[in-house]
Amino acid sequence: NAGVMQNPRHLVRRRGQEARLRCSPMKGHSHVYWYRQLPEEGLKFMVYLQKENIIDESGMPKERFSAEFPKEGPSILRIQQVVRGDSAAYFCASSSDRGRKVRYFGPGTRLTVT
Amino acid sequence: GENVEQHPSTLSVQEGDSAVIKCTYSDSASNYFPWYKQELGKGPQLIIDIRSNVGEKKDQRIAVTLNKTAKHFSLHITETQPEDSAVYFCAASKSDMNYGGSQGNLIFGKGTKLSVKP
Repeated sequence: NAGVMQNPRHLVRRRGQEARLRCSPMKGHSHVYWYRQLPEEGLKFMVYLQKENIIDESGMPKERFSAEFPKEGPSILRIQQVVRGDSAAYFCASSSDRGRKVRYFGPGTRLTVT
Repeated sequence: GENVEQHPSTLSVQEGDSAVIKCTYSDSASNYFPWYKQELGKGPQLIIDIRSNVGEKKDQRIAVTLNKTAKHFSLHITETQPEDSAVYFCAASKSDMNYGGSQGNLIFGKGTKLSVKP
């Protein structure tokens, strides 16, 4: 049973470009959570999605950031017009309907904005 | 909102010794407290969790204790081994009606970098 998968693992973008981060939850999981981790910091919640719905986006910046979790395919975190301050590790986690308390994390995408 | 403080930020122990990491939380409604281990270049891995109706939980060399009155919880690792070296994060969450009554946001501490010297 594959765990949470994220790609790409490393992403380099120039200022002003777009970044697309993908997350495939564990098999059977329909809840996805995105977190951002800055160096030497803990993980900060960004957004929680169920299939086709955004449940909680209270941690996501209002501008340039968006997330989706379509009926088919992975969840995508999209950052438009990236700036240097967006450089961070982005992790997604997933959980099942029955065990929603337990979040299983993916390996992360390390975004570097040059 | 919830705030989780974690101490120490770095911890160095000799192989075979015990390691203790402590966290405090601010929201008395928090009722779920997981601990994650993050190795370099990897995602956080859940190692143990505890719910507010339990005071202590143990899994082999790892144990977690919870004091609801004082709003703090601790991770205890006994007989440490070099492979225990990693960053450990505590977190707290509470039931949230916006989440259908299930667990809401996980609020993380800033992490403890544990080094186990052989």
